[in-house]
Amino acid sequence: DQQVKQNSPSLSVQEGRISILNCDYTNSMFDYFLWYKKYPAEGPTFLISISSIKDKNEDGRFTVFLNKSAKHLSLHIVPSQPGDSAVYFCAASEGAQKLVFGQGTRLTINP
Amino acid sequence: DGGITQSPKYLFRKEGQNVTLSCEQNLNHDAMYWYRQDPGQGLRLIYYSQIVNDFQKGDIAEGYSVSREKKESFPLTVTSAQKNPTAFYLCASSIGGGGSPLHFGNGTRLTVT
Repeated sequence: DQQVKQNSPSLSVQEGRISILNCDYTNSMFDYFLWYKKYPAEGPTFLISISSIKDKNEDGRFTVFLNKSAKHLSLHIVPSQPGDSAVYFCAASEGAQKLVFGQGTRLTINP
Repeated sequence: DGGITQSPKYLFRKEGQNVTLSCEQNLNHDAMYWYRQDPGQGLRLIYYSQIVNDFQKGDIAEGYSVSREKKESFPLTVTSAQKNPTAFYLCASSIGGGGSPLHFGNGTRLTVT
């Protein structure tokens, strides 16, 4: 039972444009959502998070949007840069419970 | 410079042998985790520990064992009972509590032949 789903295995975006990565979840009790970025042969690094009491959180070029009624969150990167090419994981938790990760989306930024 | 150290980066073992993966953190975090990454499957939780001398099974604990004798250390043993041990293993830590981000090490790639 996949509680957190990233339905797009890959995404290709031109440099300078907006990248939008999507994530859906099924557990309505999830109240914390996080995005991680991962380069090959390295551990994931934390990017940005949002709690269920908010619908938007912004940090520089990264913005996360949460739509609780649709059980959907998205990560917007604008403008996209070559260094943004990586695998992005969304993750969710219920309170202090363990994080549940999605399958990841490979983002490629083309020059 | 605080962080999580996993060693070795690459590990090769023969089938039927137990192998222990090291994970050390100097972030003073209470909680530590082991994940496994396989292509197309994201990160799956093997074991986690929220405090010294205590740990819980994650979603795929069969064939693995852990110990948490010190706050800084959370070694993972991949036993011969694990049917598909070849994978990329990631250790993480956090301060604990809702929404706390996990800090990951750089992983160990285990290949069993």
